[in-house]
Amino acid sequence: AQSVTQLGSHVSVSEGALVLLRCNYSSSVPPYLFWYVQYPNQGLQLLLKYTTGATLVKGINGFEAEFKKSETSFHLTKPSAHMSDAAEYFCAVNRGNQFYFGTGTSLTVIP
Amino acid sequence: DAGVTQSPTHLIKTRGQQVTLRCSPKSGHDTVSWYQQALGQGPQFIFQYYEEEERQRGNFPDRFSGHQFPNYSSELNVNALLLGDSALYLCASSYQGVANYGYTFGSGTRLTVV
Repeated sequence: AQSVTQLGSHVSVSEGALVLLRCNYSSSVPPYLFWYVQYPNQGLQLLLKYTTGATLVKGINGFEAEFKKSETSFHLTKPSAHMSDAAEYFCAVNRGNQFYFGTGTSLTVIP
Repeated sequence: DAGVTQSPTHLIKTRGQQVTLRCSPKSGHDTVSWYQQALGQGPQFIFQYYEEEERQRGNFPDRFSGHQFPNYSSELNVNALLLGDSALYLCASSYQGVANYGYTFGSGTRLTVV
C-alpha cells in the first residue's frame, strides 16, 4: 500500500526564515513524488515533482525538495519565507494512475 | 489556454438527494480523475476516466459514479447523499493519466449536504 506522512499539521515561520515541510513515503519501489500548494478556496497547484534523475528538485516560487531513498523522505524547503507562502501544502505519491496525498501542512508566515 | 474548469463552484443539497458535478479538462488532456477532499484532509482518489471508460477506482461506494464524454469532459454523480459527502470535489486532467506529463487540478466544487 502507498502512503504519505506529513509531519506537523501546522508550521509557523517568521518572514525571511527557512521553511522546512517534512514528508515521508512508504513504497516498495521508488515512486513519483510531488508537492502541491493549495490557497484558500482554490484547487491544487504543482510546486515540484520528482520522477527520475537528479534527486534535488527545484520548483516554482523558490521551493525545492530532495528525494532521499535511504530515508524515504521528500522534504520541501525554501530558504526565505514570504508572506505569500502562507497556504496548505500537500505531499503526494503517484502510482498506478492515482495520487496518494498526505494530510497536509498548513504554513503560517509571521511578519 | 484554459485550465481545468469545474462547475458549479458551490452547491447545497439535502441528504438523500442526488448531485451531478461537471469538469472540462485542460486543452490537450484526455484523462479525467476525480478526488474528494474533506475538510482538513488531503484529497482522496475517487476514480479516473480514460477513453470514456472508468479505468481505475478508489475506495468509494457505488453511490459515486461518473461518465466521460467524447470531448473528454466528465461528470461525477453522487446518489443518496449523506452528510459525510460534504467536501471539496476536485477534478484533475492529464494526458493518458501519465503523471510525468503533468496533472492539472481545477479549483473544485464545494458540496454541502444538509
